[in-house]
Amino acid sequence: NAGVTQTPKFQVLKTGQSMTLQCAQDMNHEYMSWYRQDPGMGLRLIHYSVGAGITDQGEVPNGYNVSRSTTEDFPLRLLSAAPSQTSVYFCASSPPGTGSYAEQYFGPGTRLTVT
Amino acid sequence: AQSVTQLDSHVSVSEGTPVLLRCNYSSSYSPSLFWYVQHPNKGLQLLLKYTSAATLVKGINGFEAEFKKSETSFHLTKPSAHMSDAAEYFCVVTPLGSARQLTFGSGTQLTVLP
Repeated sequence: NAGVTQTPKFQVLKTGQSMTLQCAQDMNHEYMSWYRQDPGMGLRLIHYSVGAGITDQGEVPNGYNVSRSTTEDFPLRLLSAAPSQTSVYFCASSPPGTGSYAEQYFGPGTRLTVT
Repeated sequence: AQSVTQLDSHVSVSEGTPVLLRCNYSSSYSPSLFWYVQHPNKGLQLLLKYTSAATLVKGINGFEAEFKKSETSFHLTKPSAHMSDAAEYFCVVTPLGSARQLTFGSGTQLTVLP
């Protein structure tokens, strides 16, 4: 199993550009989520999905869109990048199980810089 | 509502000495608590989790944590630090039985001195 994979590893965007961060998992996990990590702030939840076709907002959803057409993939779209979106983005997934008992598996991250 | 406070942003210890990373939580309901570790330029890895069973939880690499409801704490300890323990550590809370929406602390950077 590759686990959770993210592409690209690094990206530089200009303000106003759009892009999609890719996330895939091959563990048949129902739950997937996106976080951003900023210095001194831990990880903050952007969006999450409890299964194909179902998504919901987390703590900091503004400026980001998601969709979940398959169990495996959960892309994160930035429609019009802003410098405030400069961050490290992590995708995570967890298996079916009893609510919060389930361990989350994290991808290696995408480091995004918006100039 | 829930929140997590990691009381130290940086901790330095010498190799072979004990490690203590402090975490206090606030939750309106019974919580599940986790510690995750992040090595440089890597994703996060689960160290251990508390899910309302035993209050002393053992994790990987010799780490353990004790859930103290009266003190709303979940401190992470290790008897003897190793150089490979140098990393950032995150305390995490989520409601018991939730849809796995995690609230992260701001992190504690652990430095291990030779």
